[in-house]
Amino acid sequence: DADVTQTPRNRITKTGKRIMLECSQTKGHDRMYWYRQDPGLGLQLIYYSFDVKDINKGEISDGYSVSRQAQAKFSLSLESAIPNQTALYFCATSDPGTSGSRDTQYFGPGTRLTVL
Amino acid sequence: QQQVKQSPQSLIVQKGGISIINCAYENTAFDYFPWYQQFPGKGPALLIAIRPDVSEKKEGRFTISFNKSAKQFSLHIMDSQPGDSATYFCAASISTSGSRLTFGEGTQLTVNP
Repeated sequence: DADVTQTPRNRITKTGKRIMLECSQTKGHDRMYWYRQDPGLGLQLIYYSFDVKDINKGEISDGYSVSRQAQAKFSLSLESAIPNQTALYFCATSDPGTSGSRDTQYFGPGTRLTVL
Repeated sequence: QQQVKQSPQSLIVQKGGISIINCAYENTAFDYFPWYQQFPGKGPALLIAIRPDVSEKKEGRFTISFNKSAKQFSLHIMDSQPGDSATYFCAASISTSGSRLTFGEGTQLTVNP
């Protein structure tokens, strides 16, 4: 987990506020992902990036935006937070290298976001 | 639409028992099926994975059984230990879509001492 860090770890904000969650990795991976975890729903993909110039929407991108500032940094923004965006957010990375390591995703420790 | 359905949502097992978690998928293009383990306060971590060219893969006490015709796969934890208490997620992906994973809903496993 130390190779993938997320800040902040916990955040409480109010409805309508803009908030940014940050992810940094030292694994040297090109691919990065943002997931949202809700009880009973598993992990849902918000956005993913296969390199600095490649950004793609996931299953639930509405209300979110991302920025890939560098290979090592991938930020998730909530432009105008709403209460149903209260969830646990995870960043992950992967390496499209050898077939043995391909598809393995390495997750950060998560950010718990509460929107009041 | 949940393309990977996981059951049960929660499971309680006695120490030494067998824990079984099941997943079913819809998309026949899926060709990689990993299981992730998540401890409280941590991110998920890869536990074991299987590709559809084999019906079973075993790593220590953890075994994946895969039934391609039924589009189902399951995780078996033999001799379950209290330290196995965690949330388990099955997932699936398609090689041509890179590393995009579709996750199941998760199973919270509790192993009582």
